[in-house]
Parts: sequence; structure tokens; C-alpha cells
Amino acid sequence: AQSVAQPEDQVNVAEGNPLTVKCTYSVSGNPYLFWYVQYPNRGLQFLLKYITGDNLVKGSYGFEAEFNKSQTSFHLKKPSALVSDSALYFCAVRDMDTGRRALTFGSGTRLQVQP
Amino acid sequence: GAGVSQSPSNKVTEKGKDVELRCDPISGHTALYWYRQRLGQGLEFLIYFQGNSAPDKSGLPSDRFSAERTGESVSTLTIQRTQQEDSAVYLCASSPIMGSNQPQHFGDGTRLSIL
Repeated sequence: AQSVAQPEDQVNVAEGNPLTVKCTYSVSGNPYLFWYVQYPNRGLQFLLKYITGDNLVKGSYGFEAEFNKSQTSFHLKKPSALVSDSALYFCAVRDMDTGRRALTFGSGTRLQVQP
Repeated sequence: GAGVSQSPSNKVTEKGKDVELRCDPISGHTALYWYRQRLGQGLEFLIYFQGNSAPDKSGLPSDRFSAERTGESVSTLTIQRTQQEDSAVYLCASSPIMGSNQPQHFGDGTRLSIL
């Protein structure tokens, strides 16, 4: 079985400060990992993905994420937060070595950036 | 180009009625997914389609839920004899190739409210 944990329901950060949104995963094989962002009354927008290669992945809007195999983590980061980054963030995983095709999503973390 | 389109954007109906939700995927995308998002929660996988292959229905919560897709075009999700616990946002996503590492592209969802 595959699963994703986002341990923080909400993260608060001041504008201009660095932000981290945590994600840990569990798969039996090798993971494909994704981050999506959701704005109010909208669908999910793709931010970035890890497939293979460099552990530090860069994505849209200045976001990046670091894959850590030993800690089974894929935390989302940004060096300097913007108020417009305030949204709901979802981490997702797919086990590339099993037959399960669909993504498994975490429960989401609400990011609030204060001016 | 056009993204994933879902209709209606909002649907309010009485308990016991049937509802039909529609998804138009991005042209050329062979894989199509349906997810359910309950208030304040993550996404639950419902069903996915890939071309003319048999769909993966493993996420459908009961036999009141069904979905169809003709070829690589429009899909409809039908909920029969709706219950209040069916109230949620139903999200559709498509991707170029099923089972690949391509990100899924989401529509804005249909917000379903059962009275």
C-alpha cells in the first residue's frame, strides 16, 4: 500500500521568510512524488515532481522540494514567501513498481503567509 | 490551450436523486481520473480510464457510483440515489499517458451538495 502524511494542517510564515511544508511517504517500491497547490474554488495545479536524478527538484513559482530516501520525505520549500503563496498544498505519491496507477494524496497543508 | 473542463461547477440536489457530472479532458490526453474531495480533506481516488482498456474502478465507494468514458473524450460520473455523505467536490484530471510520470492536470471541480 502507498500512503502520504502531511503532519501539519497549517503553516504560518511571514512574508519574505523561508517556508517549509512537510511531506513523508510510504511505498513498497520506488516513488514518483508530486506537489500540487489548490487555490479557493479551483482544482489542483501542478508545482513540481520527483522521478529520478537530483534530490533537489525545482518547480513553478520559485518552489523547490528535496527528496530524502532515507527519511522517506519530500518537503516543499521556498526561500522567500509571498502573500500570494497562501493556499492549500498537497503532496502525492505513486509507486512506480506496482500496478497501482492513481496518485495517493496527503490530507493537505494550508499555508498562510502574513504581510 | 484549453484545460480540463468540468460541468456543472455547482450542483444542489435532494437526497435520493441521481446526478451526472461531466468532464472534458485536455485534447490528446489518454488517461482520465476522477477524485472526490470532502470538505477539509485530501483527494480520494475514485476511478481512472486509459484509452479503450478496462477502467480501474477500485476507488468507487459503492455501487451507486459509476462512470463512463467514450474513447479518449468526455467522461461522465453518475451517482444514483444520492446520500448526504456524497456531498463533496468531485475533481477530474487528465494526463498524456496513463501510468507514466506525467503530472495530472485538474479541472476546477463540481461542488455537489445533497440536501
